[in-house]
Amino acid sequence: AQSVTQPDIHITVSEGASLELRCNYSYGATPYLFWYVQSPGQGLQLLLKYFSGDTLVQGIKGFEAEFKRSQSSFNLRKPSVHWSDAAEYFCAVARNNNDMRFGAGTRLTVKP
Amino acid sequence: NAGVTQTPKFQVLKTGQSMTLQCAQDMNHEYMSWYRQDPGMGLRLIHYSVGAGITDQGEVPNGYNVSRSTTEDFPLRLLSAAPSQTSVYFCASSYLAGQETQYFGPGTRLLVL
Repeated sequence: AQSVTQPDIHITVSEGASLELRCNYSYGATPYLFWYVQSPGQGLQLLLKYFSGDTLVQGIKGFEAEFKRSQSSFNLRKPSVHWSDAAEYFCAVARNNNDMRFGAGTRLTVKP
Repeated sequence: NAGVTQTPKFQVLKTGQSMTLQCAQDMNHEYMSWYRQDPGMGLRLIHYSVGAGITDQGEVPNGYNVSRSTTEDFPLRLLSAAPSQTSVYFCASSYLAGQETQYFGPGTRLLVL
């Protein structure tokens, strides 16, 4: 079965600094890959997804992610972090919605 | 358009009690699912449904029952609650299974004593 690893439990960045959140997956075929964000006390919101095609995917709120098959990675990036980006971020992998596996999450703190 | 709604927001149960977590969506989505979220473990799929009258098990189905009598509603039942079921529960829906984006409800926080 597929699995997802998010190596960083907690990351702190200064407002305006760049951000990269790591995600590694294990899957036998070409996966569907997702990044979700969860604000405190809220449900999950989809930031972006990759199914096929261009390996650099643009999402909402200025986020992007790059699929690297050779590294089994799907890292999330943002060039300049805003205080409102403080949240928990989840990477997920799936064949389809019936079998989606989430990583443990990375909590982002933004320093003023 | 309310999206995905869940009730209650918070519930305390005693071991052995039963309860139903409600989930409803008004987007005419065929696919609905239940996840539980535990610290350090992300979300894990409990049960899902690809349409009215059709349900199936996910990664962690034990101790939970579901039914799907209408497109809009997908309740999750705990027949005999256990402390191990203390968690935050999220319902999600999408137009179809497969590549469709899932929309999540706000969650139900459950504490089993």
